[in-house]
Amino acid sequence: KAGVTQTPRYLIKTRGQQVTLSCSPISGHRSVSWYQQTPGQGLQFLFEYFSETQRNKGNFPGRFSGRQFSNSRSEMNVSTLELGDSALYLCASSLTGQGTYNEQFFGPGTRLTVL
Amino acid sequence: DAKTTQPPSMDCAEGRAANLPCNHSTISGNEYVYWYRQIHSQGPQYIIHGLKNNETNEMASLIITEDRKSSTLILPHATLRDTAVYYCIVRPAGTGNQFYFGTGTSLTVIP
Repeated sequence: KAGVTQTPRYLIKTRGQQVTLSCSPISGHRSVSWYQQTPGQGLQFLFEYFSETQRNKGNFPGRFSGRQFSNSRSEMNVSTLELGDSALYLCASSLTGQGTYNEQFFGPGTRLTVL
Repeated sequence: DAKTTQPPSMDCAEGRAANLPCNHSTISGNEYVYWYRQIHSQGPQYIIHGLKNNETNEMASLIITEDRKSSTLILPHATLRDTAVYYCIVRPAGTGNQFYFGTGTSLTVIP
């Protein structure tokens, strides 16, 4: 079974631009979560989507948004990029996210650099 | 916010057991303890989780104290490939998949 895939793997943008990152979960998984990882703040939860609905949201400004499609693929968008948005963006998928067993499978990440 | 405390770094000799401690003194009765690890430049990888009983799988063992205020992840025979940052996370079940990772423990396995 194929793992979580993220595209693109690397991206360079300039301040003020907007960017869209894509995540394809493991087949059959319905929950997709997004995380931002920076050297200063570590791994931080952005949001989670389940069945096309945002189920949980972390403490990030409204410039960060996402969506999930009917095939469970997810995109996240960052508008008006700032230098501080430079980070590794990780996507994780899990079957449902309900119940006691919530193993998340992480993708390799998208490395975003904002100049 | 992360509700766990871990030592920032540890070393372990190859072939020996690596014991990684985690303090979660404010854990609630319905919160599980999860362990993930992140090898450099890769996404985190699930290791093990538990509620109050000790757990073991093919990767590791998880020992949770009786009062549940702390736990220890044990890698029985550490290899160089176990060099990674190890995260201990506590969260309730059935509330979605938001995981709040702390700073973790950077484990270095020494040949």
